[in-house]
Amino acid sequence: GQNIDQPTEMTATEGAIVQINCTYQTSGFNGLFWYQQHAGEAPTFLSYNVLDGLEEKGRFSSFLSRSKGYSYLLLKELQMKDSASYLCAVRDSNYQLIWGAGTKLIIKP
Amino acid sequence: ETGVTQTPRHLVMGMTNKKSLKCEQHLGHNAMYWYKQSAKKPLELMFVYNFKEQTENNSVPSRFSPECPNSSHLFLHLHTLQPEDSALYLCASSQDKGGQETQYFGPGTRLLVL
Repeated sequence: GQNIDQPTEMTATEGAIVQINCTYQTSGFNGLFWYQQHAGEAPTFLSYNVLDGLEEKGRFSSFLSRSKGYSYLLLKELQMKDSASYLCAVRDSNYQLIWGAGTKLIIKP
Repeated sequence: ETGVTQTPRHLVMGMTNKKSLKCEQHLGHNAMYWYKQSAKKPLELMFVYNFKEQTENNSVPSRFSPECPNSSHLFLHLHTLQPEDSALYLCASSQDKGGQETQYFGPGTRLLVL
């Protein structure tokens, strides 16, 4: 079966750096997405990786290793507003999006 | 961000009621999706419409009935639901570019079935 694994919850301190990992086992690979979802709100697109390596976008970076079935989302200079759930999703060979259950990130002052 | 809107935002219904969820996208996209989001579970894809044609129905019970009258509007008709159907129902849209599209989500309808 297809599976996306990410930690259920993480805690970090304001101003620090946090890395949220995502591992996947899917039938084929056509890209990996990260979304941010604040409580009670819509998931919003953060990043898309289809080739190996690091994609940087401001305070957020996303890394992909296709050979290891692994990605991470790196958040720098954490702010209180970064408290949210972070969803990892992989597009498989049928172009279906397979979703992880999300990582709830708690930022403490 | 008002690219994808959903109404109502909250809904409480009994098991014998009939209600409908509405989604509208203002992004000019040609694909629309219904997802179910339950606590601590992955998003579950329910239905996909591409150019108004239903292209996915992931073994969803018949008590959920989608309708897509045009590429901007999507409905989810609900009848005789069960308490386990209580969840957040999310609508999304995308511009189909052969599988490289990003999905944009609405804020969801929080449904409680009593």
